[in-house]
Amino acid sequence: GNSVTQMEGPVTLSEEAFLTINCTYTATGYPSLFWYVQYPGEGLQLLLKATKADDKGSNKGFEATYRKETTSFHLEKGSVQVSDSAVYFCALSEVFYTGANSKLTFGKGITLSVRP
Amino acid sequence: DTEVTQTPKHLVMGMTNKKSLKCEQHMGHRAMYWYKQKAKKPPELMFVYSYEKLSINESVPSRFSPECPNSSLLNLHLHALQPEDSALYLCASSQDLVDRGYEQYFGPGTRLTVT
Repeated sequence: GNSVTQMEGPVTLSEEAFLTINCTYTATGYPSLFWYVQYPGEGLQLLLKATKADDKGSNKGFEATYRKETTSFHLEKGSVQVSDSAVYFCALSEVFYTGANSKLTFGKGITLSVRP
Repeated sequence: DTEVTQTPKHLVMGMTNKKSLKCEQHMGHRAMYWYKQKAKKPPELMFVYSYEKLSINESVPSRFSPECPNSSLLNLHLHALQPEDSALYLCASSQDLVDRGYEQYFGPGTRLTVT
């Protein structure tokens, strides 16, 4: 079956530090890959996505590249802010076009804390 | 606009109560989802509706009863819940099902406490 593995957390960084959050996946087909962010007390927000190999998703200074050869989708940001403190989930969905297996598979999530 | 709204924001109910959670989207999305999320865990899928028909039920206990009155609305009816059902309940929608290549958009959730 499908699975998503995220690096263990939590992660604490100083403001303006470089961020990398690792995500690797296992899938039988050709998944779409996503990063979702959840701020305290809120629902999940789609941060970025990539639908095929070598695609780069980007949003709000965050980037992630779909690497099929390493089955990875690592999240990066060059300079984090205090407002980036949140829980980050990596997720995948396999594209079957049938509607019979319409699920997101999530990683465990990682908590990022950015201190001033 | 990618907004999914949920009401109420917070709900406290006793084990004998009946209550309902509501979800609404006006993006023309044809797939809608209910998730349950416990603290510090990823969301767990409960139900999927596609074109107003129940598509997936992840073996959810019958004390949770979903309803899709129209393409914009999704309800979750609650009856005789247990304290372990206390969680954040998230609604999501997508243009079509995710295994047809579409991303999901989540609402802010309803924080449910069962006493």
